[in-house]
Amino acid sequence: DAKTTQPNSMESNEEEPVHLPCNHSTISGTDYIHWYRQLPSQGPEYVIHGLTSNVNNRMASLAIAEDRKSSTLILHRATLRDAAVYYCILRDNNAGNMLTFGGGTRLMVKP
Amino acid sequence: EPEVTQTPSHQVTQMGQEVILRCVPISNHLYFYWYRQILGQKVEFLVSFYNNEISEKSEIFDDQFSVERPDGSNFTLKIRSTKLEDSAMYFCASSEREGKTNIQYFGAGTRLSVL
Repeated sequence: DAKTTQPNSMESNEEEPVHLPCNHSTISGTDYIHWYRQLPSQGPEYVIHGLTSNVNNRMASLAIAEDRKSSTLILHRATLRDAAVYYCILRDNNAGNMLTFGGGTRLMVKP
Repeated sequence: EPEVTQTPSHQVTQMGQEVILRCVPISNHLYFYWYRQILGQKVEFLVSFYNNEISEKSEIFDDQFSVERPDGSNFTLKIRSTKLEDSAMYFCASSEREGKTNIQYFGAGTRLSVL
């Protein structure tokens, strides 16, 4: 998988939107951008994925830059339950089925 | 909502002992995985399994490790002779399909403590 860069940590206030950035300047044209999160003492959990267009689901939105060298995971209203480590992962044809986790961004949500 | 279940939640063993970690993947999924996470470190891929065969494995997955799908529902990870450095959270995952759009669903993990 191509390399991604994420801030180590971010803070947010409850009920405010959160924008979690991910840089992937070496992304290739067919790499998918996946986001997973890991709540405390839990296994990773799928959040969203996309290729070129912005994507929305019940958990979050994914905004992908036009040049695809960066993306942003958007939580529209952070709750205390959203406090987790968020991982941005690129998936390409050569990576097989495995997920390669980096350090992710630890999101802290303040009441 | 269907989920991946893992047992036990915590396993304590003596160094050199064999352990078997158990997982029940989501019932219609065909691809199965094991990952591990040493305390404070990244989640690391161990192995993937499809059609009763290992399809990929990492350098971590050496001869001490094996996986099996002994029946239609369980997927197990065996560590033959545990070492102190095997202490970690072990996560099982499953997916319906393969490839770069596959979504993997993880269990809550088994904490393995090797004394």
